Amino acid sequence: SAVISQKPSRDICQRGTSLTIQCQVDSQVTMMFWYRQQPGQSLTLIATANQGSEATYESGFVIDKFPISRPNLTFSTLTVSNMSPEDSSIYLCSVEWHQGDEQFFGPGTRLTVL
Amino acid sequence: QQQVKQSPQSLIVQKGGISIINCAYENTAFDYFPWYQQFPGKGPALLIAIRPDVSEKKEGRFTISFNKSAKQFSLHIMDSQPGDSATYFCAASTPNDYKLSFGAGTTVTVRA
Repeated sequence: SAVISQKPSRDICQRGTSLTIQCQVDSQVTMMFWYRQQPGQSLTLIATANQGSEATYESGFVIDKFPISRPNLTFSTLTVSNMSPEDSSIYLCSVEWHQGDEQFFGPGTRLTVL
Repeated sequence: QQQVKQSPQSLIVQKGGISIINCAYENTAFDYFPWYQQFPGKGPALLIAIRPDVSEKKEGRFTISFNKSAKQFSLHIMDSQPGDSATYFCAASTPNDYKLSFGAGTTVTVRA
């Protein structure tokens, strides 16, 4: 399986600021995803990070709020822009592994917005 | 609107007992059904997964039962251990896009 790391592991931010979360995979993967997990809740897909093209966002999520980059097959970033306390969540990246449907998750970034 | 409904929200089981978690779905295009285990402060870990062409899959103490006609699937944890105490999520995805729709999660507590 893939080894996935995320930076930072946690952060406390002030409202109105932005935070960029990094996701690094130890192997090249075709598909990378970003999910949000609000406190005590399930996971919700934010977007699919496409290599070489714009990310594909799910309903309720927009590029201005959650810009995503995918410069190569092993790395992606998610920015949470103009943060409010409602953005306090765990943000997780995941990768689809070798077209076998298996999807593996990173350890997550725990974000608290004050 | 949650595409995968999961129950119960929580359960407590004695060590050595069986934990059963149920999920139901409506989208007949789903063709991949994984279960994830998540410990506090950690990312979800893939536990076991099944496709609709089989009715049961077993890996160690974990078994998925799948009922295609009822659009339901369940996770059975046999001989539950305190180390199994975690939150379990069922999920489903459609062919080729790999986007996972998650259930609400079940918190399992195994009492020694």
